[in-house]
Formats: sequence, structure tokens, C-alpha cells
Amino acid sequence: EPEVTQTPSHQVTQMGQEVILRCVPISNHLYFYWYRQILGQKVEFLVSFYNNEISEKSEIFDDQFSVERPDGSNFTLKIRSTKLEDSAMYFCASTTGDGIYEQYFGPGTRLTVT
Amino acid sequence: AQTVTQSQPEMSVQEAETVTLSCTYDTSESDYYLFWYKQPPSRQMILVIRQEAYKQQNATENRFSVNFQKAAKSFSLKISDSQLGDAAMYFCAYSNYGGATNKLIFGTGTLLAVQP
Repeated sequence: EPEVTQTPSHQVTQMGQEVILRCVPISNHLYFYWYRQILGQKVEFLVSFYNNEISEKSEIFDDQFSVERPDGSNFTLKIRSTKLEDSAMYFCASTTGDGIYEQYFGPGTRLTVT
Repeated sequence: AQTVTQSQPEMSVQEAETVTLSCTYDTSESDYYLFWYKQPPSRQMILVIRQEAYKQQNATENRFSVNFQKAAKSFSLKISDSQLGDAAMYFCAYSNYGGATNKLIFGTGTLLAVQP
């Protein structure tokens, strides 16, 4: 069964460093998402991406964040200058968008900022 | 703006028994989707069940079923014949229908413990 994959599974970085989190959505999916879950809290929407552009972003998704689909398979989230409060689990999700709106989640990347 | 509320931070059930997790939501839309996601200790998000708001019939997936009350904006999850593997955090989520993004809006979750 097709699945969403994410790399790395765990990333440790120092405050102020740039990180890129990578996702490979399911191949025939058209809508892509990033969500964040701070430990012990609920899952929060960051950004959605369709047709090679951001379709919606939350107030969390400030100028330090960017997303890109550099080729036909990868979908990346970049945090330009990480802060301690960026420590969280980051989930990528995708969906076909053809009337079936269930989103399939990747296993997540645990980001630790020290 | 849409909101999702889960009022039970923790629940416990005996193995083989039935448990119901509550969820309420608020929206002014008439068409939307509701979901229950399971998050085990691995933190993977696993879709348990989905309900389309335009369908009156409650969704069922094996031991999992929902009680969808559209007028009351209530969407509870019933787990029958609970198993040890059901122990996890359960999130209720809402999504608009037909929008540009269909982002998921999650509740705060209910941590389910299953006692042997």
C-alpha cells in the first residue's frame, strides 16, 4: 500500500541553524500539508500546498518557514533560523483532492532545537 | 472559524469492553468531513474512521463506529471489544468540504488506556 515517507525521523539542531525536513507524498496525490505537534499538545496546521503554490498558511507559518516541491516527488519544509520553540514533531500529509479528503500522514520528523 | 473540542483528556476501559470517546465541533458550514485519528506511542497518525456530513448513516469500520449528530454538532467514537492495541491518543478532526485547502482542525485529544 502506498505511504507517505518522511526523513529524517529525528533531527537535532542548534538554535539559529537552518533545517530542511523532507517528505515524499503518495505519488498520485495533489494536495500536500505540513502539521506540527509540540509534545503533549494537539496537532496544528502549518501550511497547505497545491499546484506548486501555498494555498493556505496558519499564523504559525511566519517568514522563517518555507515550503517547496523541488521535483515531482519531494515536498520540503525549511525553517530558516530555528528557535527553541520550534522543537516539535512535524508531520507531512497528502490527499488526492478528488472528493476523497482523508489525509494520509507520514510517520513524522521529531525536531529538537538545543 | 471552526473549532473541535474533546472534553475527556483521559479515558480507561477494560479489555473486551466498550468505550465511547466524545467530540463536539463548531462550524457554520453544511458540508464537511469529520475524522478520528489514532496516535500510538510511535506518534504515527493513523486514520480510524471518516464521516461525511451529508451522510445520515453513521460510519462503521470493524470494531469502530461513530455516533454523528449533525444538529448537536457531536461526533463520538465507540470502540467495541477493546483490545490492548487500542491504547493510544485519539484525535477528533474536522475538515471543510470542497475548499481550497481542506486543512484538518484537531481537538486536543483523548488518551485511552486499556486495562487487561
